[in-house]
Amino acid sequence: DAMVIQNPRYQVTQFGKPVTLSCSQTLNHNVMYWYQQKSSQAPKLLFHYYDKDFNNEADTPDNFQSRRPNTSFCFLDIRSPGLGDAAMYLCATSRVRGTYEQYFGPGTRLTVT
Amino acid sequence: AQSVTQPDIHITVSEGASLELRCNYSYGATPYLFWYVQSPGQGLQLLLKYFSGDTLVQGIKGFEAEFKRSQSSFNLRKPSVHWSDAAEYFCAVGAGGGNKLTFGTGTQLKVEL
Repeated sequence: DAMVIQNPRYQVTQFGKPVTLSCSQTLNHNVMYWYQQKSSQAPKLLFHYYDKDFNNEADTPDNFQSRRPNTSFCFLDIRSPGLGDAAMYLCATSRVRGTYEQYFGPGTRLTVT
Repeated sequence: AQSVTQPDIHITVSEGASLELRCNYSYGATPYLFWYVQSPGQGLQLLLKYFSGDTLVQGIKGFEAEFKRSQSSFNLRKPSVHWSDAAEYFCAVGAGGGNKLTFGTGTQLKVEL
């Protein structure tokens, strides 16, 4: 089945130690998104790629970076994680611009110690 | 800019009872409307969507939603709730071009056996 895959599902990192979260998709969708979701809150969009065109949200901290080496893969890099970055990180895809329908992966739960 | 309001933070229903989760949006025209469900520790799963046409839309897991333009609402319903429906439900709006969804704050559904 076509899907959005996130690895790892659980990640523990130390305060200040860089961490990378991975997302892959078999849907061949043009758009990939990264969201941060804290407990009992709505997902918050960090950035998205339309093909190789990177779109950062205005309030996304510089500590968060992303790479999309090809259509299938997208990475979220947190350069110096703080305790406040502990959250669920969700990857999503959508087929083309303007359809809005997004397909989500299962998420990566990040713990910062 | 569009916005989404889910007035009920928590709802508790008995198994077998009917369910209605409220969603109101603010946007000058008809947006794209979605309901997603999130089980604990999981990603978001699309339940149903409305783009145009018939204002009563059917989704997965026995859910339906009705778009009411006059009330700017897109309420989610299910005639008979199952214990496995306990989860968090997010209403979302896509509008204005581009790729982004605006999420409501979510409604946590608890099902009593």
